[in-house]
Amino acid sequence: NAGVTQTPKFQVLKTGQSMTLQCAQDMNHNSMYWYRQDPGMGLRLIYYSASEGTTDKGEVPNGYNVSRLNKREFSLRLESAAPSQTSVYFCASRPGRDRGYTEAFFGQGTRLTVV
Amino acid sequence: GQQVMQIPQYQHVQEGEDFTTYCNSSTTLSNIQWYKQRPGGHPVFLIQLVKSGEVKKQKRLTFQFGEAKKNSSLHITATQTTDVGTYFCAGQRPGGSTLGRLYFGRGTQLTVWP
Repeated sequence: NAGVTQTPKFQVLKTGQSMTLQCAQDMNHNSMYWYRQDPGMGLRLIYYSASEGTTDKGEVPNGYNVSRLNKREFSLRLESAAPSQTSVYFCASRPGRDRGYTEAFFGQGTRLTVV
Repeated sequence: GQQVMQIPQYQHVQEGEDFTTYCNSSTTLSNIQWYKQRPGGHPVFLIQLVKSGEVKKQKRLTFQFGEAKKNSSLHITATQTTDVGTYFCAGQRPGGSTLGRLYFGRGTQLTVWP
């Protein structure tokens, strides 16, 4: 099993450009998450989807949008990238409500630089 | 604001010394999880604690959950260079609109020199 797969692994954007980070999991999990990680700030939740068809804001949602395309896929979109969005982005999934809120499985991360 | 506080932010130890990181939540948690992230890697689940006062061991790692279910600690005995990385705690609140969210501490970055 691949687990949680994120694409791309690296990306450089110019200020104002848009892009979508893709995430897919093959564990039949209900809940999916997007985090950003900056030095000294830990993992901050951007958006999450408790189940297919629902999305909720986390701590730092401004400048981002998400789409839970189906049970497997959860994408994160930057409509107009800013240098403050330079970060490492992690997607994660958990079994969810009917299977228990147990461990989170993380993707390999996307290292995004906005210049 | 920060829901789960974790200290220290950095810890440098010599191989063979012990290491402890602490987490404290402003609210009662239903459970707490611990993750390890190697340099350049992604967080990997270590353990979940659910019961008040629970203590679990994994070889040289000892995890504790406080009686009030608001604090937790991770203790590593006789550190090795393979222990290098950042250790995160992540708390989950019981029920309500935030069910499913994990509140991560900022992590403790452990450096071990030979």
